[in-house]
Amino acid sequence: EVQLVESGGGLVKPGGSLRLSCAASGFTFSTYSMNWVRQAPGKGLEWVSSISSSSGYIYYADSVKGRFTISRDNAKNSLYLQMDSLRAEDTAMYYCAREKSDVITHKMDVWGQGTTVTVSS
Amino acid sequence: SYVLTQPPSVSVAPGKTARITCGGDNIGSESVNWYQQKPGQAPVLVIYYDSDRPSGIPERFSGSNSGNTATLTIGRVEAGDEADYYCQVWDSSSDHPWVFGGGTKLTVL
Repeated sequence: EVQLVESGGGLVKPGGSLRLSCAASGFTFSTYSMNWVRQAPGKGLEWVSSISSSSGYIYYADSVKGRFTISRDNAKNSLYLQMDSLRAEDTAMYYCAREKSDVITHKMDVWGQGTTVTVSS
Repeated sequence: SYVLTQPPSVSVAPGKTARITCGGDNIGSESVNWYQQKPGQAPVLVIYYDSDRPSGIPERFSGSNSGNTATLTIGRVEAGDEADYYCQVWDSSSDHPWVFGGGTKLTVL
C-alpha cells in the first residue's frame, strides 16, 4: 500500500524550531518529487515547498523562504522540513504529498494524514 | 503570480448536479487538477488533467476547462460528497509553481 506518514509536529514558541518528517512506503520514493502543503485552521491549502527526486531542484513559498529548509533521504525513504524562526502564522496542519508529473500535468496524487504545528507562547 | 478564484460555497440537493468553478487568466491553456477534502481528512485527488479521474473515483465526478474557467461537475450528488474542493494548476513560469484556489465548500442540502 502506498503510504505517507508525517511526524514531528507539536507546540513551539515563536522564534523556535521544529523538524517535520514524512516516512514513505509502498512505492519507489527516490523516483518522485515531493512536497509540503499546509493548512491553517479554517483556511485553504497553501503550498510550502517542493524537492525533486534527487534534491537537484528545490522551491519555497515566499512566506517561508529563508526560514524553512526541505530535504530528503532516499536511502531512508524520508522527507523532511526544518522549520526555524517560527511565527504564529505558521500554525497549521502540515501535509506531505507525492508529486506525479509528466510533460502535461503536475499533480499531488498521494497525501499523508498530516501533522499539526502550533506556534504560541 | 497566477491566481485561481473559486466561489466560497455551493449548495445542491441530493441527486442533483453540482458545478464548482475555478477562474484564472486563460486557464483553458493550463492543466487543472481538483482535490476533495472532507472534514478532518487529508485532500484526495479527484480530477487531473482537466477531466481525467484517478482509479477509484466515481464516474459522477467530471471536469472541463475552457477559456477563463475550469469546472468540476458532480452528478447525482450524495451526502458523502459534502466537502471542500480545491482546484490547482502548475505555473511553469514561476519559482512558486504550485497554485491552489481558495477552495469551495460544497453543502448537500
